[in-house]
Amino acid sequence: DQQVKQNSPSLSVQEGRISILNCDYTNSMFDYFLWYKKYPAEGPTFLISISSIKDKNEDGRFTVFLNKSAKHLSLHIVPSQPGDSAVYFCAARTGANNLFFGTGTRLTVIP
Amino acid sequence: EPEVTQTPSHQVTQMGQEVILRCVPISNHLYFYWYRQILGQKVEFLVSFYNNEISEKSEIFDDQFSVERPDGSNFTLKIRSTKLEDSAMYFCASRGLKNTGELFFGEGSRLTVL
Repeated sequence: DQQVKQNSPSLSVQEGRISILNCDYTNSMFDYFLWYKKYPAEGPTFLISISSIKDKNEDGRFTVFLNKSAKHLSLHIVPSQPGDSAVYFCAARTGANNLFFGTGTRLTVIP
Repeated sequence: EPEVTQTPSHQVTQMGQEVILRCVPISNHLYFYWYRQILGQKVEFLVSFYNNEISEKSEIFDDQFSVERPDGSNFTLKIRSTKLEDSAMYFCASRGLKNTGELFFGEGSRLTVL
């Protein structure tokens, strides 16, 4: 099951710069895409989502972009802060309830 | 802020033993889920539960697994006869009526099968 892929296992960014996390998917039936953030020894925490009928959703420092033709979405964090250091999971769902997760990207923001 | 709570945080068991993982979802939520994450792998869907019955389950959720909502607050995952490959972090999640995919996850229960 590789319906959601995050090809970069890790990313390091200087504090204050932009972090861009990428995600690709294969199932054109996905109707919502989400980003979750996970700290060690904690459960995933919802960050931001986007409906498949939109191409951008913004919430403070976080913006998610969706390119349906390329089956690609990205999460932009601007400006990046040391507290943003965590593992970020891309997830997608069909009309059913279950989420398909990517393998995660570990973001390290260097002070 | 309301949260999903899970117990135990870590359980070590012998292969073949039964294990029950417990979850208290957010109180006004109606949809409940179990996911698991084997070390180094992705978070995987196991089962969803609504209105006292299973809505959907994955291939992982075989006859060794069962879920129950024994009272108005707890949601449990039972593994009847644990195998080594059941070792993972098990996450409970819940959501309310808002159906945009946003789930609220607990901190997880780490299961180690020896």
